[in-house]
Amino acid sequence: DAGITQSPRHKVTETGTPVTLRCHQTENHRYMYWYRQDPGHGLRLIHYSYGVKDTDKGEVSDGYSVSRSKTEDFLLTLESATSSQTSVYFCAISYRVGNTGELFFGEGSRLTVL
Amino acid sequence: QQQVKQSPQSLIVQKGGISIINCAYENTAFDYFPWYQQFPGKGPALLIAIRPDVSEKKEGRFTISFNKSAKQFSLHIMDSQPGDSATYFCAASISGSEKLVFGKGTKLTVNP
Repeated sequence: DAGITQSPRHKVTETGTPVTLRCHQTENHRYMYWYRQDPGHGLRLIHYSYGVKDTDKGEVSDGYSVSRSKTEDFLLTLESATSSQTSVYFCAISYRVGNTGELFFGEGSRLTVL
Repeated sequence: QQQVKQSPQSLIVQKGGISIINCAYENTAFDYFPWYQQFPGKGPALLIAIRPDVSEKKEGRFTISFNKSAKQFSLHIMDSQPGDSATYFCAASISGSEKLVFGKGTKLTVNP
């Protein structure tokens, strides 16, 4: 158990509404990531963080923003949700500085945008 | 542009058989190649990983074979069991970069 908690685990919302997903870790790791998983696309990196208030974009960052005001929390925000953002969102942490191969994932947040 | 190509998309194997999943990459700067296993309703979990300085790595029934010249690597599951039924993802990264690139996944079903 890597001490990662994602919330909410399930959410249904309507197009145009804001949505925030939370990732909480208990082990003080520096690196945190948000991925989305879609059938036929695998896992795609949205944003990642390498420290408090230090974030960077991944390959599918359009329509998403992130914030990290505390080491333990990494928030993913959809400012105005669209149906194309219906997905399963995974938070992950890295146990090694500079080595992204060893990621530990949360159990996911399933988001449905109607 | 997909940086890691994974095949097949789905695979059905009988219990006791060998499961083989293949991945290919283009970026020669990749130097770390992990495989992740994901059960339904769960997040992916690291299964086994290899670096290009070795051609093979074995952990129990799971083996990664790596062909640097062909830019390919594969996962072999020996004596496949129904409990191995899951989705498997190959991935690649560059040391020092924070971006792990995943293949699209292979859904493995092992029939009893």
